[in-house]
Amino acid sequence: GQQLNQSPQSMFIQEGEDVSMNCTSSSIFNTWLWYKQDPGEGPVLLIALYKAGELTSNGRLTAQFGITRKDSFLNISASIPSDVGIYFCAGRDNFNKFYFGSGTKLNVKP
Amino acid sequence: NAGVTQTPKFRILKIGQSMTLQCTQDMNHNYMYWYRQDPGMGLKLIYYSVGAGITDKGEVPNGYNVSRSTTEDFPLRLELAAPSQTSVYFCASSSILRDYREQYFGPGTRLTVT
Repeated sequence: GQQLNQSPQSMFIQEGEDVSMNCTSSSIFNTWLWYKQDPGEGPVLLIALYKAGELTSNGRLTAQFGITRKDSFLNISASIPSDVGIYFCAGRDNFNKFYFGSGTKLNVKP
Repeated sequence: NAGVTQTPKFRILKIGQSMTLQCTQDMNHNYMYWYRQDPGMGLKLIYYSVGAGITDKGEVPNGYNVSRSTTEDFPLRLELAAPSQTSVYFCASSSILRDYREQYFGPGTRLTVT
């Protein structure tokens, strides 16, 4: 199957710092999605991107759909303790199948 | 509007037993999916369905079966459970509509095979 490379694998930051994570793929996607997963829960959708070059914000979160359609990044500004969790990127292909990155584990120190 | 619901939340199976994981969505989504998530890992697609009566294999289908008799329901069947099937199973659904192609997840079923 298609491989998504998500980095970094984990991050330890101080409350108030900004965070950036990204995903790259060997294939193009027509949708990029970013999810957050808390322990014991299912992934929750944060942001959906539909067009190459699109930049979308959701509160302190900003994500972009790369021009090549093979990458996407997620930024979190002014992190807070409740941002702790695992963040996953996902790409959707033309057959409506979704492929997931391996996740970025975010730790925020108060 | 409950979204995607899954039952049971937890289950312990003995090796060789069978069970069905239930998934229901009330968003009238055409597409439904089953994933498994092993500890510390991402999600791997087991099976998916593009509509009632149509199913297809994902990355890791061996040991599982699915059926889709209605738009709402997409059960996952484990036959002859093995320890390698210990995992968290997530069901998800998405719309066919152009501007609503996000994917939504259920809360998961935690399965242990001993």
